[in-house]
Amino acid sequence: EPEVTQTPSHQVTQMGQEVILRCVPISNHLYFYWYRQILGQKVEFLVSFYNNEISEKSEIFDDQFSVERPDGSNFTLKIRSTKLEDSAMYFCASSKMERDSPLHFGNGTRLTVT
Amino acid sequence: SQKIEQNSEALNIQEGKTATLTCNYTNYSPAYLQWYRQDPGRGPVFLLLIRENEKEKRKERLKVTFDTTLKQSLFHITASQPADSATYLCALDSSASKIIFGSGTRLSIRP
Repeated sequence: EPEVTQTPSHQVTQMGQEVILRCVPISNHLYFYWYRQILGQKVEFLVSFYNNEISEKSEIFDDQFSVERPDGSNFTLKIRSTKLEDSAMYFCASSKMERDSPLHFGNGTRLTVT
Repeated sequence: SQKIEQNSEALNIQEGKTATLTCNYTNYSPAYLQWYRQDPGRGPVFLLLIRENEKEKRKERLKVTFDTTLKQSLFHITASQPADSATYLCALDSSASKIIFGSGTRLSIRP
């Protein structure tokens, strides 16, 4: 069964550094998402993306964050200048349709900012 | 303000019994509601989707109900097994391109 893959599984970075988290969504999916989960807390929506544009973003997704689909397969999340509070699991997800369609999640990248 | 609440942080039941998890929401009008399972250190895995015009959906030992008047969904696992132990998340469409999650219920099935 096709799956969403995320790399790396664990990233450690120093405060103020830039990080890029990578995702390969399921190939025939058109809608892409990033979520984050701080340890012990809920899965929080960051951003949705369709047709090379952001569809919607949350308050968390400020100017430090950006997303890109640089080629036909990858979907990336960049954090420009990491803060300690950015430490979390970051999940990528994709879906076939916008509405009424389950999200397929990757297994996440654990980001640790020191 | 808008909220999704799952009835309890943790639920502990005996193997073979039916587990019932609750999801309540306020100030949303979702077109559909979804349930996911999350194991430690892993991404959520989709289980079931129920639309606003559907009262009930079943898949093997799983059953979901959706009451738009009560603004509530119930998720049942019948004949529960220790392998069903996980965190279960409900999710709804806050808008066309935004799905938001409840904080989850951690279910433990003891042998």
